[in-house]
Amino acid sequence: GAVVSQHPSWVICKSGTSVKIECRSLDFQATTMFWYRQFPKQSLMLMATSNEGSKATYEQGVEKDKFLINHASLTLSTLTVTSAHPEDSSFYICSAVSSYEQYFGPGTRLTVT
Amino acid sequence: AQTVTQSQPEMSVQEAETVTLSCTYDTSENNYYLFWYKQPPSRQMILVIRQEAYKQQNATENRFSVNFQKAAKSFSLKISDSQLGDTAMYFCAFMAPPGTYKYIFGTGTRLKVLA
Repeated sequence: GAVVSQHPSWVICKSGTSVKIECRSLDFQATTMFWYRQFPKQSLMLMATSNEGSKATYEQGVEKDKFLINHASLTLSTLTVTSAHPEDSSFYICSAVSSYEQYFGPGTRLTVT
Repeated sequence: AQTVTQSQPEMSVQEAETVTLSCTYDTSENNYYLFWYKQPPSRQMILVIRQEAYKQQNATENRFSVNFQKAAKSFSLKISDSQLGDTAMYFCAFMAPPGTYKYIFGTGTRLKVLA
């Protein structure tokens, strides 16, 4: 099956710094990727749709200037959390579409101190 | 707006027994897909089963089957012969229109299989 990877799996950063999370489709090309956020013991909330070669589409309530998404190639989308604060601490999951199915990455745990 | 509701936050079942997880949804769409995903402690989301709304036949995948009641907007998951490896969070998800791939997830049911 299709494999999606994320890097890093866990990152700790200081408040006020920026952190980048990568999402890669390893054995397929994905024109569309999604970024989700999952708080502890809660569901996945869709943050944005990442489209290769064009601007990301953000869901209502998601700050586009804080969560920068770049889909530079058909196998890579990045999420940059700018000026991170403790409330941005969460589990971030990406997914990629292939053959009418959505495949999920293993997630990235972000801790902002 | 579409909503997905899972009314059972936690459930437990004895190994080898059968358990049913509930999911209801609300939509005005006629063409949509429904999914059950499993999220084990590793946090990796794994597709369990998928149901297309236009199909009347309930989907099955080995020990997993669904009871899809379109008129009642109900989509329950039945796990037969439960195994310890089935212990996980289970999320019901909705997608409409089918080509958008934008999922709406329910709040999840934590299932524990007891030895």
